[in-house]
Amino acid sequence: GAGVSQSPRYKVTKRGQDVALRCDPISGHVSLYWYRQALGQGPEFLTYFNYEAQQDKSGLPNDRFSAERPEGSISTLTIQRTEQRDSAMYRCASSFASSGGVTGELFFGEGSRLTVL
Amino acid sequence: QQPVQSPQAVILREGEDAVINCSSSKALYSVHWYRQKHGEAPVFLMILLKGGEQKGHDKISASFNEKKQQSSLYLTASQLSYSGTYFCGTADTDRDDKIIFGKGTRLHILP
Repeated sequence: GAGVSQSPRYKVTKRGQDVALRCDPISGHVSLYWYRQALGQGPEFLTYFNYEAQQDKSGLPNDRFSAERPEGSISTLTIQRTEQRDSAMYRCASSFASSGGVTGELFFGEGSRLTVL
Repeated sequence: QQPVQSPQAVILREGEDAVINCSSSKALYSVHWYRQKHGEAPVFLMILLKGGEQKGHDKISASFNEKKQQSSLYLTASQLSYSGTYFCGTADTDRDDKIIFGKGTRLHILP
């Protein structure tokens, strides 16, 4: 498809398990972002990449969260030893590139809804 | 620094106008506006840069006052399709592509 693809769309896991969320950005998009969105709230920045380089990970809540984009395309957000407070919608977004320091339009995926029991 | 949006929610009748505000305590480099309908992903509306830029398409426009560190989104003669939650996203430097979003303004249009 032409849009940002995320998988799985829904993930239910037990507390303490590890989960991996995948994002396949729009082909050719340089920048890839991970956000977390609680119900009724705005997207909360987690981390972003330009190509394969992680530019900013200041939004990752703690060291249980990590992300990678090894070949500059598909990205994986991994949450280790999940806790109930990790339950949320995790959204990926991609952007063609920044121009003159201005990030272009973000194209958001449909998200991965994580529920930790 | 998360931008602050106001109001938190607005209820309008079709055809009425609305203004949504977004402000920051830090100097801003750019402001982004998105709309999200229930159960869907946020969708891009527009980007405004420094310099008091104003933009618009259809009956939705926005302004950016860099001195006041704020932006406003104007919805004129609102249509039912305008219902949703509007988010502003801000970047405070030209060397950082990180976009921080506000908590959103919920807009409900009544027929």
